[in-house]
Amino acid sequence: DAGVTQSPTHLIKTRGQQVTLRCSPISGHKSVSWYQQVLGQGPQFIFQYYEKEERGRGNFPDRFSARQFPNYSSELNVNALLLGDSALYLCASTGRDRGLNTEAFFGQGTRLTVV
Amino acid sequence: KNQVEQSPQSLIILEGKNCTLQCNYTVSPFSNLRWYKQDTGRGPVSLTIMTFSENTKSNGRYTATLDADTKQSSLHITASQLSDSASYICVVSDTTSGTYKYIFGTGTRLKVLA
Repeated sequence: DAGVTQSPTHLIKTRGQQVTLRCSPISGHKSVSWYQQVLGQGPQFIFQYYEKEERGRGNFPDRFSARQFPNYSSELNVNALLLGDSALYLCASTGRDRGLNTEAFFGQGTRLTVV
Repeated sequence: KNQVEQSPQSLIILEGKNCTLQCNYTVSPFSNLRWYKQDTGRGPVSLTIMTFSENTKSNGRYTATLDADTKQSSLHITASQLSDSASYICVVSDTTSGTYKYIFGTGTRLKVLA
């Protein structure tokens, strides 16, 4: 059974461009969360989605948006890229909405470099 | 001020030795505290999950403790191996305001030397 898969694994973009990152959760998991991890820091929460609805949002500008599809996969979009958006973007899936005490499984991440 | 703080920032030990990593948090209320291991450039992998009512949880050579009164947790690694070299991240689940999110610490970078 495949774990959480993210694509692409690496990406280089120019300032001002737009980027779309993709995540497929573990089969049967309905909740997907996105995190940004800047080099040397812990991951920062961006969004959580459950059953195609946004259930949580971190302190990120409106340039960041996401959505979840009927098959529970998710996309993270970032517009008007800045150099500071360079980071490892992680996706995590859990089997339930609040995920209380349930395991959260992370993908390998997408390494975004903005030049 | 980060709601989850870890110490030390980095640690170097010899193979076979034990070590203890610390996590202090201010997140309240919280439903659980997790320790993750993260290899460079990879996604975090869960080591332990503890609810606020649990004091200790083991996973092989990893033992986590939790003191909900003092809001402190520790991760003890026994008989370290070279493969233990990684970042160890303490994560507290924040359930305030009806949302649900994880608050990550900045991690402790562990290097195990032969």
